[in-house]
Amino acid sequence: DTGVSQDPRHKITKRGQNVTFRCDPISEHNRLYWYRQTLGQGPEFLTYFQNEAQLEKSRLLSDRFSAERPKGSFSTLEIQRTEQGDSAMYLCASSLDNRAREQYFGPGTRLTVT
Amino acid sequence: DQQVKQNSPSLSVQEGRISILNCDYTNSMFDYFLWYKKYPAEGPTFLISISSIKDKNEDGRFTVFLNKSAKHLSLHIVPSQPGDSAVYFCAASRGNFGNEKLTFGTGTRLTIIP
Repeated sequence: DTGVSQDPRHKITKRGQNVTFRCDPISEHNRLYWYRQTLGQGPEFLTYFQNEAQLEKSRLLSDRFSAERPKGSFSTLEIQRTEQGDSAMYLCASSLDNRAREQYFGPGTRLTVT
Repeated sequence: DQQVKQNSPSLSVQEGRISILNCDYTNSMFDYFLWYKKYPAEGPTFLISISSIKDKNEDGRFTVFLNKSAKHLSLHIVPSQPGDSAVYFCAASRGNFGNEKLTFGTGTRLTIIP
């Protein structure tokens, strides 16, 4: 399967702990996006990369969130000092430069903060 | 503010009939629109898109119509099949290079009744 993959699929953590999620995009896609989806809502944009450069961050991405894409391939999203309000589905998507708006999503990582 | 709205949380349609899903947007800067389909425990899957220079795009059983003056788009599925049962998200994007983030609606759950 050459689609977008995310790991882990589920994460349960206690409030105050740090968590890190990984996304592997489709191999030829140089754009990578992170979105967050809460219950009853559509996905909301968090940040995106073109190759290794992080080009835009949403106001939703507080200082506790950091994303990296060190070699322009996989990406990680870290949440420090998790809060219950961080509980959500974290989705990763990738696209080609010349078809940037046709984004292909991974299965997501469901985070539960207790 | 909700820039993309899907006012019907759910829709039930008999198998073989037409399904019509609606979406409204408020931001006149949006110039590209997409529909995604989501099954439980999976990420959204790209279905069909339309540029604002067109008013219709067709792909097999799926047709998207865009009415720019009304800031309204719709997805028609005909004939509807049981495998079409899923949550459908409308998404919109602005045209500036480097700003291809998607803004999603809240989704419509489509149930096809055999």
